[in-house]
Amino acid sequence: SQQGEEDPQALSIQEGENATMNCSYKTSINNLQWYRQNSGRGLVHLILIRSNEREKHSGRLRVTLDTSKKSSSLLITASRAADTASYFCATPPITQGGSEKLVFGKGTKLTVNP
Amino acid sequence: DAGVIQSPRHEVTEMGQEVTLRCKPISGHNSLFWYRQTMMRGLELLIYFNNNVPIDDSGMPEDRFSAKMPNASFSTLKIQPSEPRDSAVYFCASSFLWGGLGEKLFFGSGTQLSVL
Repeated sequence: SQQGEEDPQALSIQEGENATMNCSYKTSINNLQWYRQNSGRGLVHLILIRSNEREKHSGRLRVTLDTSKKSSSLLITASRAADTASYFCATPPITQGGSEKLVFGKGTKLTVNP
Repeated sequence: DAGVIQSPRHEVTEMGQEVTLRCKPISGHNSLFWYRQTMMRGLELLIYFNNNVPIDDSGMPEDRFSAKMPNASFSTLKIQPSEPRDSAVYFCASSFLWGGLGEKLFFGSGTQLSVL
């Protein structure tokens, strides 16, 4: 099934640096979403970008979407130790039944060192 | 709002036993999803319901797995009989969907299942 794939699988940075994670997907989508998962917890929705949008901001988060390349990036600026988590992109692939279900990638594990 | 509530938080059982996982979605949401997360396979969608009706169960691994949603405020995922390879974290998520478009999901804290 169509799935977002994050890159890199793991990223380790120092506090204050920026973190960039990428996501590629395979088929047409209506939107693309990013989620965060802290260790041992459920996923938390961060941001949703629709297929007719190219960039979206939310606080220290910046998401871009390039539908021609079928890719998205998540930038976290001025990272903090509390940003340490796994980050997932998720896409609802358009199927003949609609595009209700979200398919997740395997995530990028971000470690922010104090 | 209490969010999506899952129980139990942890479940340890022996191979062959029946396991029932429970989920209470956010009030007002009309869609409910069951996911399974493992290190090897990541997050897999098992089944999802819309307005209490199962829409897509293509992710359910085998007949040992079954899911029900008897009403808008409750769903169960049952494994019978359980096997060690079923060990994983099982997440329930809910959303309000309209127009057939995927919108953001709200996840529960998950059930950590260990089958010995």
